[in-house]
Amino acid sequence: DAGITQSPRYKITETGRQVTLMCHQTWSHSYMFWYRQDLGHGLRLIYYSAAADITDKGEVPDGYVVSRSKTENFPLTLESATRSQTSVYFCASSGLAGGSGEQYFGPGTRLTVT
Amino acid sequence: KNEVEQSPQNLTAQEGEFITINCSYSVGISALHWLQQHPGGGIVSLFMLSSGKKKHGRLIATINIQEKHSSLHITASHPRDSAVYICAVHRNTGNQFYFGTGTSLTVIP
Repeated sequence: DAGITQSPRYKITETGRQVTLMCHQTWSHSYMFWYRQDLGHGLRLIYYSAAADITDKGEVPDGYVVSRSKTENFPLTLESATRSQTSVYFCASSGLAGGSGEQYFGPGTRLTVT
Repeated sequence: KNEVEQSPQNLTAQEGEFITINCSYSVGISALHWLQQHPGGGIVSLFMLSSGKKKHGRLIATINIQEKHSSLHITASHPRDSAVYICAVHRNTGNQFYFGTGTSLTVIP
């Protein structure tokens, strides 16, 4: 199906485990983003990517790693999960640079770290 | 510190009322976005604007760059408008997005 998808939709993991959240878009958008959403903080940018093999840090990158070997995929890895990373994670894509373009959001992944 | 502040945090309205949600920001921006998040969690982009005013159906968004302020108006509100409305700004230096904490709107039939 066309659009932007995230997997898994729900994940429970233990402290210290590595977890990878997947994001896939079918529009060939250049720009992709990872956000986390927490009560009281709203959405915060973790990492973004302007193209394949080009990534950069956002507001809250610590504890996260991203890669973008293909335009359509932008996985987010928590190398050693901590309880403070319990959150809802949203991936988004945009066809235009910076804030110039509408962002299309995935359905979100609810991650719980125990 | 919050680069983006929204008001009110919560809003309850009767069906048919005119609704205004406000967004103030403290950084230089290249664009401002209004997003809608329904109770199921999905986020949809409503508007992207860098000046002036935009209208989609019953929704109107305005921005005043000099005052660093934007408003989202909903005319003839309907229960299906019940959602969280989020203001986001794209900073004009670097490639950072900052989000408000959202305004939770409930429209009562």
